[in-house]
Amino acid sequence: QKEVEQNSGPLSVPEGAIASLNCTYSDRVSQSFFWYRQYSGKSPELIMSIYSNGDKEDGRFTAQLNKASQYVSLLIRDSQPSDSATYLCAADEAAGNKLTFGGGTRVLVKP
Amino acid sequence: GAVVSQHPSRVICKSGTSVKIECRSLDFQATTMFWYRQFPKQSLMLMATSNEGSKATYEQGVEKDKFLINHASLTLSTLTVTSAHPEDSSFYICSARPQGTGNEKLFFGSGTQLSVL
Repeated sequence: QKEVEQNSGPLSVPEGAIASLNCTYSDRVSQSFFWYRQYSGKSPELIMSIYSNGDKEDGRFTAQLNKASQYVSLLIRDSQPSDSATYLCAADEAAGNKLTFGGGTRVLVKP
Repeated sequence: GAVVSQHPSRVICKSGTSVKIECRSLDFQATTMFWYRQFPKQSLMLMATSNEGSKATYEQGVEKDKFLINHASLTLSTLTVTSAHPEDSSFYICSARPQGTGNEKLFFGSGTQLSVL
């Protein structure tokens, strides 16, 4: 069974600090990885996608992928109270395949 | 950007009734749509993959006779929860992506909160 694991949190960070979220996956054939942000009672919205080993930066967000260790991470720099949400990690086997989601990490950014 | 509309956003029903949830892609065609269920403080669990013009593919443990999926057009998929019971109370979310694209173009509906009394 394919699994995507995340620490459920909550991860509490002060405003302006860096939030670091981790995700591991069990299926070695996974090729594409996604980070979603989900506010309570709302649907997920895509923050980042990453397909190759290394770092990928987009604004205050940096995704890191290490396929050898089956590990994906997300860094949120200069965290803002509006970043308080649950962050979901997801993986798929190949482009267009169904996604497997992790349990999500709840992030609380305190002013 | 592409939008997926899901309706209704909230429904309260009595035990034993059936509830239909609609998922529409507003500005693109989608041969494939996905239906998820999310219990409080848990992740999205894929229930089924809805395929236009053919039968849906259900995940292990999901009763296809209870959760009826119809994908009659390239822009509409429906999920019907038949004979709903309190344990079916959950947040149901659909997603869709334009034909020929990957999950980087996957868009989610706004979700339906189902409460069965």
